[in-house]
Amino acid sequence: GIQVEQSPPDLILQEGANSTLRCNFSDSVNNLQWFHQNPWGQLINLFYIPSGTKQNGRLSATTVATERYSLLYISSSQTTDSGVYFCAVEESGSARQLTFGSGTQLTVLP
Amino acid sequence: NAGVTQTPKFQVLKTGQSMTLQCAQDMNHNSMYWYRQDPGMGLRLIYYSASEGTTDKGEVPNGYNVSRLNKREFSLRLESAAPSQTSVYFCASRRNTGELFFGEGSRLTVL
Repeated sequence: GIQVEQSPPDLILQEGANSTLRCNFSDSVNNLQWFHQNPWGQLINLFYIPSGTKQNGRLSATTVATERYSLLYISSSQTTDSGVYFCAVEESGSARQLTFGSGTQLTVLP
Repeated sequence: NAGVTQTPKFQVLKTGQSMTLQCAQDMNHNSMYWYRQDPGMGLRLIYYSASEGTTDKGEVPNGYNVSRLNKREFSLRLESAAPSQTSVYFCASRRNTGELFFGEGSRLTVL
């Protein structure tokens, strides 16, 4: 099956700093999503981005499908951005199954 | 509009006991999923249902059964719980355009 690797595994920032999270995948995909799991365990869908670039406020994401990676940018980070960020991909021809990476644990300090 | 609703949110079982996790969505989505999340790991797919009346195994189906009762509801059953099934379980449904939406999770402890 497809492999999904996220980096870095852990990231600690001061409030106001910018960061880039990376997701590499091992095969072609027809679906890629980014999720945020907050400290209470809720999983929130941030972006559906199989290719191209999207922006939502301070967050943006870019997927370069031909090179098999996606990036999540967080600008002017806030303490509420803390949590785990997951990348999930659907391998082409996989019958709608999403495979998750192991996540990036982000801690934003006040 | 509640989205995806899971019950119960917490459960403690003894080894060998059975239980069913319930999941319902009100977004009229065709596809529904059950994942488990263990410490330090991402989410792993247990079972999914691409549409009403169909179910398929995911990455870690052993020890579980599912029922897609109707379009809204997708339940996960543990027939004989084992300590290795201690985990947080998430139900999700999927929009036709691809976006996945999760319930709040069910924390299960098997003693």
